[in-house]
Amino acid sequence: DAGVTQSPTHLIKTRGQQVTLRCSPKSGHDTVSWYQQALGQGPQFIFQYYEEEERQRGNFPDRFSGHQFPNYSSELNVNALLLGDSALYLCASSFRGESYNEQFFGPGTRLTVL
Amino acid sequence: RKEVEQDPGPFNVPEGATVAFNCTYSNSASQSFFWYRQDCRKEPKLLMSVYSSGNEDGRFTAQLNRASQYISLLIRDSKLSDSATYLCVVYTGGFKTIFGAGTRLFVKA
Repeated sequence: DAGVTQSPTHLIKTRGQQVTLRCSPKSGHDTVSWYQQALGQGPQFIFQYYEEEERQRGNFPDRFSGHQFPNYSSELNVNALLLGDSALYLCASSFRGESYNEQFFGPGTRLTVL
Repeated sequence: RKEVEQDPGPFNVPEGATVAFNCTYSNSASQSFFWYRQDCRKEPKLLMSVYSSGNEDGRFTAQLNRASQYISLLIRDSKLSDSATYLCVVYTGGFKTIFGAGTRLFVKA
């Protein structure tokens, strides 16, 4: 049973560019949440997708957008990249996003913006 | 004030020691509470959920005090393999999960 997978593992971009990160949830999960983790900090909630819609959003600008596909996989898009967007981007999946259900994290995509 | 605050650490303890981590949260309507563990350059993994009555899993004990909006994690008989960052996690409702900044633990031989 494959766990949560993310691609790519590493990415280097320059300021102003756009990036797309991908996530496939754990088998049986239908909810995907995205987090940004800066060095030395805890993960910061970006948004959550359920039934192909953004259900909840954290304090991130509109440059951060996402999508969920019918097979529950998800994409995170970041436009007009800034140096401060350099971070580890984590995807977590769960069942229905219920508070009592464990979130399983993928290994993350490490984004460097130059 | 941050929504979830943890002891900044790092904690440096010898093998066999008992160590306690504290965490406070600001939203009194918070619903669920967890401790996650994150090894260096790895993804977070659930260590244990935290219940109002307190709960124990082997050497690990978690406590929740809703009145004080305070969560704790106690690790007894520390092992070298316990070295990691411990993240306090609060589910505030509305499908939003808040992580603390984490407390780094180093267990030395």
